[in-house]
Amino acid sequence: GPKVLQIPSHQIIDMGQMVTLNCDPVSNHLYFYWYKQILGQQMEFLVNFYNGKVMEKSKLFKDQFSVERPDGSYFTLKIQPTALEDSAVYFCASSRHANTGQLYFGEGSKLTVL
Amino acid sequence: QQKVQQSPESLTVSEGAMASLNCTFSDGTSNNFRWYRQHSAKGLEVLVSIFSDGEKEEGRFTAHLNRANLHVSLHIREPQPSDSAVYLCAVSMSGGSNYKLTFGKGTLLTVTP
Repeated sequence: GPKVLQIPSHQIIDMGQMVTLNCDPVSNHLYFYWYKQILGQQMEFLVNFYNGKVMEKSKLFKDQFSVERPDGSYFTLKIQPTALEDSAVYFCASSRHANTGQLYFGEGSKLTVL
Repeated sequence: QQKVQQSPESLTVSEGAMASLNCTFSDGTSNNFRWYRQHSAKGLEVLVSIFSDGEKEEGRFTAHLNRANLHVSLHIREPQPSDSAVYLCAVSMSGGSNYKLTFGKGTLLTVTP
């Protein structure tokens, strides 16, 4: 089936550094999402993005977080600066439509902040 | 705020026996329910989506929804060892994006030969 690719699969960085997580969504999809899963906890919605804009974000989407998809390339989640509590697996997802059809997830990017 | 709880936390069944997983949610206006599974270090695979009370079957996977009881279940017919994974229930509320999902913590299913 359709694939969402995430790069890197794992990244270890020092607290305070910047990190960019990359997502290559399904090719004809228009809506993009990030979810966060802390070890042992449930997956939680961070943000959704359409037509170059954040449509909706949760309280987990701190001011240090930003998303963009410049010129149809990767959909990125940038954290600057990182904090210890940002350690988690971040899942990217995409869908063709806003409210119908399937939502496809990537395999996650595991971020470890030391 | 929506709460989604799954039970049991873990379940072991023998190959070929029916596996039943449960999910309760707190917001009765929820109208979009999905079951995903997650193999270790892999992405989420959608199994079945259900939007109205009753039953929805996708191959060996059947979801039952009872919104009055705030309950949705997943039944796996003739499970195989390859079905061993974490099963996640995801719920979204009406009036917003169907993909602003609230997930449960998951049920770890182990299918023994």
